[in-house]
Amino acid sequence: KNQVEQSPQSLIILEGKNCTLQCNYTVSPFSNLRWYKQDTGRGPVSLTIMTFSENTKSNGRYTATLDADTKQSSLHITASQLSDSASYICVVSRGSTLGRLYFGRGTQLTVWP
Amino acid sequence: AAGVIQSPRHLIKEKRETATLKCYPIPRHDTVYWYQQGPGQDPQFLISFYEKMQSDKGSIPDRFSAQQFSDYHSELNMSSLELGDSALYFCASSLESIMNTEAFFGQGTRLTVV
Repeated sequence: KNQVEQSPQSLIILEGKNCTLQCNYTVSPFSNLRWYKQDTGRGPVSLTIMTFSENTKSNGRYTATLDADTKQSSLHITASQLSDSASYICVVSRGSTLGRLYFGRGTQLTVWP
Repeated sequence: AAGVIQSPRHLIKEKRETATLKCYPIPRHDTVYWYQQGPGQDPQFLISFYEKMQSDKGSIPDRFSAQQFSDYHSELNMSSLELGDSALYFCASSLESIMNTEAFFGQGTRLTVV
């Protein structure tokens, strides 16, 4: 069964601190993995997209890693800001079939001052 | 740059009524996805279209139908609405003919069924 599991479900950190979010998937065949940030009531906004051959990709204070062998990904946020408070969703695209993105449940991150 | 446009942003309907949600993808994108996100839940895939043809179907109820038109915009038609249909409906578009490109999401349509 194609699944995307994220942990932790929720996380509270203090402003300025770093954190790491995890994503494990069983989607096959694998095409790419994306991390999205979703503010409450808004559409998901893309942070990174990684293919099978990419191990790490950065976007400002966001760094995503991918281990395609173990089917794990992480999103590391450095020097967190209050505006980082959001849901972070891991989305995996299945290869060979058009049109299906598999979503994790997301990690709800809250940054406190 | 133009993004994915969804309309309306908010919609309130009564039970058993019909609703139509519209999605205008990013120009030249060939794929449109529809997702339903209930309160506190992860998005659930409903249906997708590639080059105006249905490409994949997920957990879309039989009461719902969708299509993609010649100008690539898509409409999600929902009939016999139920209270449980209240959710945020997202549309996303991508250029799937080029592998590993981003999928961009609209702001969503918040449907409330009363």
